[in-house]
Amino acid sequence: AAGVIQSPRHLIKEKRETATLKCYPIPRHDTVYWYQQGPGQDPQFLISFYEKMQSDKGSIPDRFSAQQFSDYHSELNMSSLELGDSALYFCASSGPGLATSSYNEQFFGPGTRLTVL
Amino acid sequence: GDSVTQMEGPVTLSEEAFLTINCTYTATGYPSLFWYVQYPGEGLQLLLKATKADDKGSNKGFEATYRKETTSFHLEKGSVQVSDSAVYFCALILLYGGATNKLIFGTGTLLAVQP
Repeated sequence: AAGVIQSPRHLIKEKRETATLKCYPIPRHDTVYWYQQGPGQDPQFLISFYEKMQSDKGSIPDRFSAQQFSDYHSELNMSSLELGDSALYFCASSGPGLATSSYNEQFFGPGTRLTVL
Repeated sequence: GDSVTQMEGPVTLSEEAFLTINCTYTATGYPSLFWYVQYPGEGLQLLLKATKADDKGSNKGFEATYRKETTSFHLEKGSVQVSDSAVYFCALILLYGGATNKLIFGTGTLLAVQP
């Protein structure tokens, strides 16, 4: 079965550089979530999109932005990178449709490991 | 705020030993509860879930019961295998009427099973 695809799997950047992470959800999934997992920490919710609109926002720095495109893939853009941005970035997808009174399982991708030097 | 607390690891067990990983939660509403597993180098996989009090989630020999009175969702397995070695995350979701459900995770517990 198709899974969530993330690219690149590994990324090394210098401080103050920019990075773009991509996420391709499972076919027919219309909701995408981004999580950040620092070394030895739990995943923290950053932002989510439903039908190309931002649906929720967590602890995402102002230096980061994201969007969901017409084909439902999503990109996380990170600027002015800092050492503390080094983490594993997970994308998850769910759907189709809104989760109202029931939970739509979130399927996670393998993550992108970002290292900022 | 809403949060999940789980026991610190690592938990080191011998094969066929009994496993318990404790998880408690604090939530402003009525959460759904989950256990996720993360194998080395891989993403998070849903292991089991429970959506209301006294529900028991189970999968691959793992079980957890939603205890509202103690706000707990402890993970158990009667006989662990080396292949169960992974990091286990307890998580919750508060379901709203809106479009999204963000997961709130605990800090994770590393399980190492020795042959």
